[in-house]
Amino acid sequence: DTAVSQTPKYLVTQMGNDKSIKCEQNLGHDTMYWYKQDSKKFLKIMFSYNNKELIINETVPNRFSPKSPDKAHLNLHINSLELGDSAVYFCASSPRGAGAPYNEQFFGPGTRLTVL
Amino acid sequence: DAKTTQPPSMDCAEGRAANLPCNHSTISGNEYVYWYRQIHSQGPQYIIHGLKNNETNEMASLIITEDRKSSTLILPHATLRDTAVYYCIVYGQNFVFGPGTRLSVLP
Repeated sequence: DTAVSQTPKYLVTQMGNDKSIKCEQNLGHDTMYWYKQDSKKFLKIMFSYNNKELIINETVPNRFSPKSPDKAHLNLHINSLELGDSAVYFCASSPRGAGAPYNEQFFGPGTRLTVL
Repeated sequence: DAKTTQPPSMDCAEGRAANLPCNHSTISGNEYVYWYRQIHSQGPQYIIHGLKNNETNEMASLIITEDRKSSTLILPHATLRDTAVYYCIVYGQNFVFGPGTRLSVLP
């Protein structure tokens, strides 16, 4: 009955590789998000996405791209991985679009990415 | 940048109330105050939110000052499992997480 799930939980890879992290929500929510939590534990939004609109944090490199096959899934693709991409990545979903009231977000368990 | 200021850490005795303060002096009239917590690198967990009035749910109470420039999250009977980082967030367009308050509940 997991509301927001992510796979894999851990991902270890070499610099320069391309990898994907998958996220699924079974809450029927309209909007999904990706966050990055670095070694200093700051949690920063990377993307918000619903059927109509992708909002990208301008600080996110274009090596990162979200892909949504359907409303319940938002995968994160990362090209040419760099050492600085090592972090924990959290997926989240909310019932309404970004900025709407009463829009609490529900987070997945996280994916710990280590780039060697 | 986060629009909130929280103490970096607090201790609380098990069974006592934990009162976590948050300053948000630049909050706008239509922005909500949300509280989340993160237990040991798990995904952040929603606790409570409010606009103007005080709110209570099964987890906590939220007290918002009349001028809305500050708020307090109250865990009425803290347990060891409440040890976590607590984030106060002013939500307008996006959730912007600051460093939060690391609450340690002590036996």
